[in-house]
Amino acid sequence: QKEVEQNSGPLSVPEGAIASLNCTYSDRVSQSFFWYRQYSGKSPELIMSIYSNGDKEDGRFTAQLNKASQYVSLLIRDSQPSDSATYLCAVNGRQAGTALIFGKGTTLSVSS
Amino acid sequence: DVKVTQSSRYLVKRTGEKVFLECVQDMDHENMFWYRQDPGLGLRLIYFSYDVKMKEKGDIPEGYSVSREKKERFSLILESASTNQTSMYLCASSSPPREVTGELFFGEGSRLTVL
Repeated sequence: QKEVEQNSGPLSVPEGAIASLNCTYSDRVSQSFFWYRQYSGKSPELIMSIYSNGDKEDGRFTAQLNKASQYVSLLIRDSQPSDSATYLCAVNGRQAGTALIFGKGTTLSVSS
Repeated sequence: DVKVTQSSRYLVKRTGEKVFLECVQDMDHENMFWYRQDPGLGLRLIYFSYDVKMKEKGDIPEGYSVSREKKERFSLILESASTNQTSMYLCASSSPPREVTGELFFGEGSRLTVL
C-alpha cells in the first residue's frame, strides 16, 4: 500500500515568518509530486508541482524534493493570514494508470 | 479555465437508497477521478477512468460503482447507501496521457449525508 505521510498540525506561525511543511512517501518509483492548498469548505487547488530533485520556486512558495530520502517539502516565505489553510501533499507512481495518492494534510494557521 | 461541475452540492439520502453523483468537465480531459474526503482520513481514491467506458478501482471501491459513457461525464453510483458513506465526494479531471498523472482539477464537491 503506497503511503504519503504528513504531520497533521496545526502548524502555527506569525505573519511574515517562514512556514515549513513536510511530506514523506513510501513508493520509491514515484515520479511526480504536488502540493495542494485547501481552504475550509473548498476544493483543493494546485499550488506547486515538482518532478526533479532540488528546489523549485514560485513567488513566496518553494518546493523541495529529495528522492533518495523520499521527502518533499513546501516552504512559504513571508506567511500571510490568507495562507491559513490545509496543505495536501500528493504523489503519483510511474506505472501507467496510477492516480494521485494524497497525504492527510497539514493545517497551517498564520496569525496577524 | 477548466471547469469541473458536480451536479449536487448537498444531498441527504436514506439508508438503502440508490444515489447518483454526477460530474462533468468541459476541457476534453481524458482522465477523471472520484475521491472521498473525511476528517482525519484525508482524500481517498474510490474509482478512476482514463477513457470512455473504462474504469479502474482505487483504494476504497467497495460499495461504489462508476459509469463513463461519454468523455466529459463520470458518474459515481452508490447502489445501496449506508451511513458510513456519509462524506464529501470530490470529482477531479486531468489532461495528460495515462502514463503520467499531472495536475488534478477538482469540482466543488458533493456533501452526502446518509440517514
